[in-house]
Amino acid sequence: AQSVAQPEDQVNVAEGNPLTVKCTYSVSGNPYLFWYVQYPNRGLQFLLKYITGDNLVKGSYGFEAEFNKSQTSFHLKKPSALVSDSALYFCAVRPNSGNTPLVFGKGTRLSVIA
Amino acid sequence: EPEVTQTPSHQVTQMGQEVILRCVPISNHLYFYWYRQILGQKVEFLVSFYNNEISEKSEIFDDQFSVERPDGSNFTLKIRSTKLEDSAMYFCASNFGPGELFFGEGSRLTVL
Repeated sequence: AQSVAQPEDQVNVAEGNPLTVKCTYSVSGNPYLFWYVQYPNRGLQFLLKYITGDNLVKGSYGFEAEFNKSQTSFHLKKPSALVSDSALYFCAVRPNSGNTPLVFGKGTRLSVIA
Repeated sequence: EPEVTQTPSHQVTQMGQEVILRCVPISNHLYFYWYRQILGQKVEFLVSFYNNEISEKSEIFDDQFSVERPDGSNFTLKIRSTKLEDSAMYFCASNFGPGELFFGEGSRLTVL
């Protein structure tokens, strides 16, 4: 069975500084990997995905993530954080065969301080 | 841009009552899902639905839960006899195939 670990409950970063939100995964076979963002009292918004190809994927709002197969990681990054990036971030994984449902990590709350 | 819509946005019910949460997935999508989230925490899979039948369900999705696609557009989650611990945000999602899920804004269920 697949699983996702987001080791940090909370990440604090100053506005303008780079941010990283960590994610490691476990899945049988090759993974499909996703990042979602959730603002207060809202649904989950898709940010980016890794399906195949380039290990560095770029997504919405200037976010990017790097797939590292040897470390089974898919960390979310942004070069320069904005206060408006403050939200709850979820990493999710599923195997790349069939249509097994996405399994989500427990989420990391990002707080960007002005 | 097409989106997944959910109703109601908030429902308050008494323990033991039946609740139906409704979703209209994106029109050309084939796979439909329900997830729940308790108090802004982990997002938990409940059930997936494809070709008019359940394709997978989690251990949370016990006999008190059921899903239905009564017509070509709606996808419903029914909780037969609600318990206090069913209080959560319920999210409907859909997709066309492998790839990202598109989520609705959620239905908050409060069981008193």
